[in-house]
Amino acid sequence: AQSVTQPDIHITVSEGASLELRCNYSYGATPYLFWYVQSPGQGLQLLLKYFSGDTLVQGIKGFEAEFKRSQSSFNLRKPSVHWSDAAEYFCAVGGRGSQGNLIFGKGTKLSVKP
Amino acid sequence: ETGVTQSPTHLIKTRGQQVTLRCSSQSGHNTVSWYQQALGQGPQFIFQYYREEENGRGNFPPRFSGLQFPNYSSELNVNALELDDSALYLCASSYNPGTGVTGELFFGEGSRLTVL
Repeated sequence: AQSVTQPDIHITVSEGASLELRCNYSYGATPYLFWYVQSPGQGLQLLLKYFSGDTLVQGIKGFEAEFKRSQSSFNLRKPSVHWSDAAEYFCAVGGRGSQGNLIFGKGTKLSVKP
Repeated sequence: ETGVTQSPTHLIKTRGQQVTLRCSSQSGHNTVSWYQQALGQGPQFIFQYYREEENGRGNFPPRFSGLQFPNYSSELNVNALELDDSALYLCASSYNPGTGVTGELFFGEGSRLTVL
C-alpha cells in the first residue's frame, strides 16, 4: 500500500537549535517526494521537492532534505530554527503521471521555544 | 501573477444539504486538484480536473463531484452532507504540458466547511 509516515506528531525545539523531521514512505513506483509547510488557517506552501538526481535537495527558508532510497526516507532538516518556523509540516509522495494525487503524511507540528 | 484563490473561506451547513466550493487557478495553470483535510490529518486527494474532465480520483463517494470551466477555474460540489464532511477543502493548481506529468501543485488557503 502507498503511504507516508511521519512518526513525530509534535516536536518542540529551542530557537537557534537544529531540526530534523522524519518521513518514511511506501510507494510502488519511483517516488516524487515533497515537503510542505502549513501555518494555522493557511494553505500549503512547498518547501522543497525531490524528483531525481542529487539526493540532497535544498529548499526555501534554509530547509534541506535527504532522500535515502534504502531506508525509504526523506527527512527534512534545518541547521538553525527561527521562531517563524513554528507551523505544521507535511511530507508527501507522488509519482510520474500520478495526476496530482499526492499522498500526505499526518503532519508534524513544530513549536519553537524562545 | 495571481495565486490560487478559493471561496468561500468559511461556511456552515447542516446534514443533508449541498455545498459548492470554488477555486480560481493560478495564472498559466490548466489543472486543478482538490483535497480534503480533516482536523489533525494530512490532506487527502479527492480528484483532479484537466481539460474540463475528471483526470484522477481518490477514495471518495460519487456525492463528491466537480467541474472545470474553460478558464480553468473549478468547483467542488458535495451532496447529502454528512457530519464527517466537516474539513478544510484545499484546491491546488498546476500546469500539465500534455505529457501526462502534472507539475508542482500550488495550494490555495482553503474553504473550511462545518457540517452541523
